[in-house]
Amino acid sequence: DVKVTQSSRYLVKRTGEKVFLECVQDMDHENMFWYRQDPGLGLRLIYFSYDVKMKEKGDIPEGYSVSREKKERFSLILESASTNQTSMYLCASKSAYEQYFGPGTRLTVT
Amino acid sequence: GDSVTQMEGPVTLSEEAFLTINCTYTATGYPSLFWYVQYPGEGLQLLLKATKADDKGSNKGFEATYRKETTSFHLEKGSVQVSDSAVYFCALMEYGNKLVFGAGTILRVKS
Repeated sequence: DVKVTQSSRYLVKRTGEKVFLECVQDMDHENMFWYRQDPGLGLRLIYFSYDVKMKEKGDIPEGYSVSREKKERFSLILESASTNQTSMYLCASKSAYEQYFGPGTRLTVT
Repeated sequence: GDSVTQMEGPVTLSEEAFLTINCTYTATGYPSLFWYVQYPGEGLQLLLKATKADDKGSNKGFEATYRKETTSFHLEKGSVQVSDSAVYFCALMEYGNKLVFGAGTILRVKS
């Protein structure tokens, strides 16, 4: 069965902290994605990766970076968290035809 | 750029009512179209998809038909259940791997 896991379901961080969100997939997919989900805005793409060490900016990359050192793991990094980054973060990996999503991490920055 | 517009919610229905959630899109080419569902506390799951004009996607009693002439992909179900309460997202994929999502529509079904 397809599985995408995210390191935390809920996270509370302070303004200015460095935050790591981890995503792991067990399907040997090359393509992985990070989205943020906000009410009324749907899902917006932050970054995606099409191979190890390869990354591309999505629609809203400002304030974020990513790391893909191994095929199964794709990390989202908030270098200095700010309150406007309070959101639900969803990771996905893609087969030929479908994106599979993790359960999400609800991040609150205070 | 590409975009997806969904009807605003929340949509509140009684059990066994007919459901329609409208979705229209803007794209330069011929995208593939998707409906995803997010149940409370979970990530998104693919509900159905259609890859070319006039295709009908269906799953779990839900249906949507790819209408190129009206650039629409409306979601329908003949008889909703309380367990269908969720957030529904319409999305398109045109080039490469990127999905473009609508804002999502909350569906609440009362018993």
